[in-house]
Amino acid sequence: EAGVAQSPRYKIIEKRQSVAFWCNPISGHATLYWYQQILGQGPKLLIQFQNNGVVDDSQLPKDRFSAERLKGVDSTLKIQPAKLEDSAVYLCASSLDRLAGNIQYFGAGTRLSVL
Amino acid sequence: DAKTTQPNSMESNEEEPVHLPCNHSTISGTDYIHWYRQLPSQGPEYVIHGLTSNVNNRMASLAIAEDRKSSTLILHRATLRDAAVYYCILRDGRGGADGLTFGKGTHLIIQP
Repeated sequence: EAGVAQSPRYKIIEKRQSVAFWCNPISGHATLYWYQQILGQGPKLLIQFQNNGVVDDSQLPKDRFSAERLKGVDSTLKIQPAKLEDSAVYLCASSLDRLAGNIQYFGAGTRLSVL
Repeated sequence: DAKTTQPNSMESNEEEPVHLPCNHSTISGTDYIHWYRQLPSQGPEYVIHGLTSNVNNRMASLAIAEDRKSSTLILHRATLRDAAVYYCILRDGRGGADGLTFGKGTHLIIQP
């Protein structure tokens, strides 16, 4: 079974530039999550989708971050414009459904460096 | 969300058992206890979860205290590959938004 695919693996940009990350979840997984992991900290949830609808985006900085999952499969996370403090690993995860016993499967992440 | 407390780091020897503790004194009756681990340069991976009873799988065992205010992840025979950050996380079983709330976890060091 293929895992969660993310691209690119690494991205270096200058502050005030824009960047986009792509995620392809495990086939058949209805729920998709984006997390931000700053160096030395645990991942922090940014947004959760159920199919193509948003379940939770309370921690997404909406002035600069946006995410979509138009067809309920792939998802993109965009930052515009980037700030220095956005340097982090952006992790995508998926799960079969929204049940407490459901396992979340994570991709390897995209490491973003903002200079 | 109910909070968990874990030691910052622990050290163990290869091929010995490892007991990773987690305190969650404010756990509610609907909270499941989940453990994930994160190997260097990888995304987190699921280890095990439970509600009230002790659980075993091929990776580890989870021992849950009778009052559910603490739990212990047990790696029966640690290998170098088990060196990772281990996160103890509570998930509300009532559904809805269920993103994981990670703390800083326990950095497990395995000595050869």
